[in-house]
Amino acid sequence: SQQGEEDPQALSIQEGENATMNCSYKTSINNLQWYRQNSGRGLVHLILIRSNEREKHSGRLRVTLDTSKKSSSLLITASRAADTASYFCATRGSNYQLIWGAGTKLIIKP
Amino acid sequence: DADVTQTPRNRITKTGKRIMLECSQTKGHDRMYWYRQDPGLGLRLIYYSFDVKDINKGEISDGYSVSRQAQAKFSLSLESAIPNQTALYFCATSDGTGSKNEQFFGPGTRLTVL
Repeated sequence: SQQGEEDPQALSIQEGENATMNCSYKTSINNLQWYRQNSGRGLVHLILIRSNEREKHSGRLRVTLDTSKKSSSLLITASRAADTASYFCATRGSNYQLIWGAGTKLIIKP
Repeated sequence: DADVTQTPRNRITKTGKRIMLECSQTKGHDRMYWYRQDPGLGLRLIYYSFDVKDINKGEISDGYSVSRQAQAKFSLSLESAIPNQTALYFCATSDGTGSKNEQFFGPGTRLTVL
């Protein structure tokens, strides 16, 4: 069964706007990771946030984590056409497996 | 050169055939994983291996088997393929040290079972 659920399932915005997607999970975690997948390709790691962290930045990406609500958000600022992709959250629990959400499909319109 | 490679990239086969998907990595990682991805869904773990002598079933191992021939190679077999095994299959690796568990993915194998 899948741990994470992303919201929304799909998001379409104009280039230059900010994109926010959310991830909720069910059990306690060690860390939460966000990955990007371009159409039909392998996933690429974007950013990791540990359970004792609340916010993390990497370039145009900002991730927040609220362990009390078991949720995380990924913000992409000043979106570009190249950001068009599916975005997945994955949680790592007490073992070393990652459990994946179903993803948010992001489309950036020129 | 890609760090994680998968062969073949595309395969069409018939019900009942035995299929092997291969994965090789040059990252020197101990941990390797096989996932399948179905349309509109996230990844589901089939098998994982933390070293050559350690093989573990994942969430959906029925109908699949694996072989870890070396640290760098991890193969997935479908003993008797069925149509609902049509999916995109990914191999991934991660470093066994530290606590991050970031995974590195191959390009995927698109398998169609007729």
